[in-house]
Amino acid sequence: SYELTQPPSVSVAPGKTATITCGGSNIGSQSLHWYQQKPGQAPELVMFYDSARPSGIPERFSGSKSGDTATLTISGVEAGDEADYYCQVWDSDSGQYVFGTGTKVSVL
Amino acid sequence: ELLVESGGGVVQPGRSLRLSCAASGFTFFSRYHMHWVRQAPGKGLEWVAVIWHDGSHQYYADFVKGRFTISRDNAMHTLDLEMSNLRVDDTAVYYCARVPNGYTSFDLWGQGTLVTVSA
Repeated sequence: SYELTQPPSVSVAPGKTATITCGGSNIGSQSLHWYQQKPGQAPELVMFYDSARPSGIPERFSGSKSGDTATLTISGVEAGDEADYYCQVWDSDSGQYVFGTGTKVSVL
Repeated sequence: ELLVESGGGVVQPGRSLRLSCAASGFTFFSRYHMHWVRQAPGKGLEWVAVIWHDGSHQYYADFVKGRFTISRDNAMHTLDLEMSNLRVDDTAVYYCARVPNGYTSFDLWGQGTLVTVSA
């Protein structure tokens, strides 16, 4: 089955830039999405189709892809950005949806 | 726009449980593929199943095939998940989530319902 790999954790100081990666085979040819999940809450879409921001998501959030790695970048990190982040794709071959392993972003 | 799950609780291994999700606040429920996604305590998100907007297709994660059945009622704006032969490792918060037809991202999630499988 298809797998997406993320670093377990990322630590960043307030005001700095957090970079969260998501790796998978042939990820360059797939549409990839990102979700933010704060403790005790449901996930929220923060980036879709690699680099599109849903309404209400700050411009500090950006997405990109290169080769077999997708990246979610949070610029000017704030305390409120502390959360778990998950990447996700749709595997068209199986019809199944796949989430990445998740990255916990901690704001120092 | 709201998705509200119900039906969670404590159940013994091998038993069955039915979860429901009620959609409200948005029209054209039938234009959305509807999913169940779960999250075991302290773990990551795990996709469970999808039913297409018109109910014509269902797909399941490998770990639930043959045990879980997803269904929907477009007239009532509801989504169900019938879970049978439950195992201890099915313990999780189960989220209902929607994907607009033609897209592959989840744009709305419910708050989840907790299923605990324990003897």
